[in-house]
Parts: sequence; structure tokens; C-alpha cells
Amino acid sequence: KQEVTQIPAALSVPEGENLVLNCSFTDSAIYNLQWFRQDPGKGLTSLLLIQSSQREQTSGRLNASLDKSSGRSTLYIAASQPGDSATYLCAVRLLSSNTGKLIFGQGTTLQVKP
Amino acid sequence: EAGVAQSPRYKIIEKRQSVAFWCNPISGHATLYWYQQILGQGPKLLIQFQNNGVVDDSQLPKDRFSAERLKGVDSTLKIQPAKLEDSAVYLCASAPGGPYNEQFFGPGTRLTVL
Repeated sequence: KQEVTQIPAALSVPEGENLVLNCSFTDSAIYNLQWFRQDPGKGLTSLLLIQSSQREQTSGRLNASLDKSSGRSTLYIAASQPGDSATYLCAVRLLSSNTGKLIFGQGTTLQVKP
Repeated sequence: EAGVAQSPRYKIIEKRQSVAFWCNPISGHATLYWYQQILGQGPKLLIQFQNNGVVDDSQLPKDRFSAERLKGVDSTLKIQPAKLEDSAVYLCASAPGGPYNEQFFGPGTRLTVL
């Protein structure tokens, strides 16, 4: 059974810091991995999607990497801003799934202090 | 392009009462998902529709939860009777074409069962 774990559960940093959020998964046979952002009281917004054949994806100040063999992904946020404060979730799709179901981690809640 | 719409946004009920949630996916999206997100956890898939057919309902507590997607567009999720542990945010998402395409999430309905 695929399990997705995110560490730490919460993180507080001063504005301007570079930071890394971690995601690990137990079954390396994944189709893709996706990072989402969730603001309080809101739905999920997709940030980056990495296909299993890719090593990383970049969008602005965000960079996500994927190491399937070790079952790990990291989300790097450069020069953090208070507006980055949110909960960040990673999710994987298994190759074995014919439904494309997303399996989520529990999220990391980030607070960036001005 | 309008996003995924959900209503109501908030609902408070007593245990053993019934409740229904409504979702209107993005126009033309064939796949529709209902997720349950308990506080501090990642979303968990309850049911997935492809057009108006059920693709995956393996994690839907069928003794109390039901869902339908008439005419392959709008969907409703019902809980009858509700339990305290059903308190959660219920997220609806939709995706164009097949199940491996990117999912777009609605704002969710926050349910509190007293």
C-alpha cells in the first residue's frame, strides 16, 4: 500500500529565506508526482507536476525534484515571502492504478514571517 | 474559464442528521472526484466518476455515504446519517478527458457535525 509522508508538519521561517519541503513515498512505481498549495478555507492549487521520467520541474521561485529510486521529492522555495504562507501537499499517482487516483501526504504548513 | 463550483461552503449539523453537497465541475470535464479532508490530513478520495459512471468508490463508506452524477455533469454527495467523525472538508475536483490528466479543485465544503 502506497504511503506518502511529509516532513516537517509545520515550518516557520523569516522572510527571504530559502527553504525545502520534503515528501517521501513507499512505492517507487509512480506515474507522476504533484505538489499543491492550499490556502486556509480554499481548495487546492496545483504548483508543479513531475512525470516519472523527469528529475525536476521549475516555476518561478519554485523548484521540485524527484528521485524515484529513493522514494523522495523536494519542493524548494527561493527567497520566501509572506504570501507563500500556506499548506503544501504532495501527491503521487501509481503506475498500477487504472483510475489515476492521487494519494496525498498530510501536508506541511508553512508560515513566512515578515 | 469558470472553476469548479461547490455549495454550500459551510454546513453545521447534529449527528444522525442528513446533509448533501453539490458540485459543478468545469465545463467539458469528464472526470469528477469527491475527496474528504480531515483536519491535519491530506485529502482522501471517496469516489471518482468518469462521465456518469463510477470508476472508483473503494473508500466510500457506503452504509452512510452516497453520490451520483446525473447526466455526467453536476454531482451530489450525501451523508445519511452523519457521525461526528464525518467532520471534514469535502473537496470536489474535475479533470478533462481521462483520469491521468491534471485535476482542478473547488473551494470545498466545510462540514461540522455536533
